[in-house]
Amino acid sequence: LAKTTQPISMDSYEGQEVNITCSHNNIATNDYITWYQQFPSQGPRFIIQGYKTKVTNEVASLFIPADRKSSTLSLPRVSLSDTAVYYCLSLSGNTGKLIFGQGTTLQVKP
Amino acid sequence: DSGVTQTPKHLITATGQRVTLRCSPRSGDLSVYWYQQSLDQGLQFLIHYYNGEERAKGNILERFSAQQFPDLHSELNLSSLELGDSALYFCASSLRAGDPDTQYFGPGTRLTVL
Repeated sequence: LAKTTQPISMDSYEGQEVNITCSHNNIATNDYITWYQQFPSQGPRFIIQGYKTKVTNEVASLFIPADRKSSTLSLPRVSLSDTAVYYCLSLSGNTGKLIFGQGTTLQVKP
Repeated sequence: DSGVTQTPKHLITATGQRVTLRCSPRSGDLSVYWYQQSLDQGLQFLIHYYNGEERAKGNILERFSAQQFPDLHSELNLSSLELGDSALYFCASSLRAGDPDTQYFGPGTRLTVL
């Protein structure tokens, strides 16, 4: 059974780097790994997407090892406004089923 | 604003009833996805349509059905509602049907079944 696992919660302080790791059991061979951010009562919002190695954009970096069984979202120098739930998303095998992790609630403290 | 619209924002109904949730994708997007988000289940993928055709099914109950119309808007029909169907229902749209692609989520419809 395909499963995507991530920590339920994390705490951090303003200015620190935060790394959230997701394990992707049975990820599809050609599937990209995507991370989303969600604030209360809003729809998830795209953060970053990658296939392998490292991807960086203006808000985050994504590290994917060669075996692609996990991914790590890195948020540099978090601020209070980064307090949110972070989800990883991948495709399960060749079924076309999209699997979200259970979400990591990040609490950034002053 | 993601450009994806969902109506209604809130829906309160009784057990056994049937409701229809509507989603309009971003202009130019051909894919529509439906998700259910409840407190104990997280974000659950329900179904994916691309240009009017069903592409993939997730954990969608037989009491639920969806379709995508020629103008690309989509509707999710929920029937014989149960208390456990109370949740946030999101739709998302994307340009293509495969990776790499970015899904843009709507604001959601909050369904309460009493």
